[in-house]
Amino acid sequence: DTGVSQNPRHKITKRGQNVTFRCDPISEHNRLYWYRQTLGQGPEFLTYFQNEAQLEKSRLLSDRFSAERPKGSFSTLEIQRTEQGDSAMYLCASSLIGGGVEKLFFGSGTQLSVL
Amino acid sequence: DAKTTQPPSMDCAEGRAANLPCNHSTISGNEYVYWYRQIHSQGPQYIIHGLKNNETNEMASLIITEDRKSSTLILPHATLRDTAVYYCIVRLTNTGNQFYFGTGTSLTVIP
Repeated sequence: DTGVSQNPRHKITKRGQNVTFRCDPISEHNRLYWYRQTLGQGPEFLTYFQNEAQLEKSRLLSDRFSAERPKGSFSTLEIQRTEQGDSAMYLCASSLIGGGVEKLFFGSGTQLSVL
Repeated sequence: DAKTTQPPSMDCAEGRAANLPCNHSTISGNEYVYWYRQIHSQGPQYIIHGLKNNETNEMASLIITEDRKSSTLILPHATLRDTAVYYCIVRLTNTGNQFYFGTGTSLTVIP
């Protein structure tokens, strides 16, 4: 499977706990995006990386959220001290810059439920 | 990036053409029009993109008006598997600016 892989698919946690999600992009894709989606809404941008550099962060990304992409390969998104409002689908996408018009390829997401 | 306006929902009979409109009246000359769709419980999937000319691929056709202020995504023979939310996005390509998805059009293909 050469698509974008996200783990876990589902995560249930208690309020106040920390959670970490992983995204493995398509091999050799140099950009990686994180989005969040709540029921009935379109995906909302959180942050993106070009290689290992985090180039933009949304105001939605509070200080409880941190994302990393060491070595420009896989990425992790950590949420500290989770709140019920963090319950959402977290989507990862990757793209290749320099290969023509940029197209995002999405994973199936991690569904987070904060109890 | 310019924002888009789409109808919240549409129905289409199976086997018929589905025509999904999108208004992007503030689009600038260098912004592309992209279409993505999202089937329930999956991530969005790229469909097609265009700048000025009409485009066609194996999934759909994209018709962009001459003034570029609106576009239509056409699924020529809709199937039940085309039931999804369709997002129209305008964006300067490769700038790193986010793809803004909006709320899209929920298309239901009826048997």
